[in-house]
Amino acid sequence: DQQVKQNSPSLSVQEGRISILNCDYTNSMFDYFLWYKKYPAEGPTFLISISSIKDKNEDGRFTVFLNKSAKHLSLHIVPSQPGDSAVYFCAAINSGGYQKVTFGTGTKLQVIP
Amino acid sequence: ETGVTQTPRHLVMGMTNKKSLKCEQHLGHNAMYWYKQSAKKPLELMFVYSLEERVENNSVPSRFSPECPNSSHLFLHLHTLQPEDSALYLCASSQGTSGTGELFFGEGSRLTVL
Repeated sequence: DQQVKQNSPSLSVQEGRISILNCDYTNSMFDYFLWYKKYPAEGPTFLISISSIKDKNEDGRFTVFLNKSAKHLSLHIVPSQPGDSAVYFCAAINSGGYQKVTFGTGTKLQVIP
Repeated sequence: ETGVTQTPRHLVMGMTNKKSLKCEQHLGHNAMYWYKQSAKKPLELMFVYSLEERVENNSVPSRFSPECPNSSHLFLHLHTLQPEDSALYLCASSQGTSGTGELFFGEGSRLTVL
């Protein structure tokens, strides 16, 4: 049973436009949500996170939105750049226990110049 | 050297071979992890070590045997693997095992079992 779901395996966006990556979760015990970015032949790198007590967190071009009632979060990238082309993993954690991070299957973003 | 380094980057082995994957972190962290990434599947947590003590074994078959001799090094010993064990094996580290989920990953070891 997948507790973190990314239903779109891929997304293509024009350079300069907004990229929106979506993620749904089922476990209401999760209290931190994260996005990781992965380039080919590299390990995932942490991008941005949000606590469950917030509904928005912004870091430069990246904004994560959390809708707890819908158990849904999204990552917005504005403006999208070709260097943003990568696989983006949604992840979640219940910080009360061991750091057992649960990942989604990833969405491959392609930003077209 | 910085971050988390994994060796070898690529490994091909037969089902009767014994091999090991190595991970080293230079971040001063005290927790280390093994994850498995298979095609079209989420990253699966295999093992968690905190202060060199295994605190999580996520129902991993015994043909995978982890070893953490100190807080900077983590090994995954492999023996009598199956072709379905072919995957990318990722090592990660963090400061502590409870927190906000920020892990630092290595580049991974791509394993092919023939």
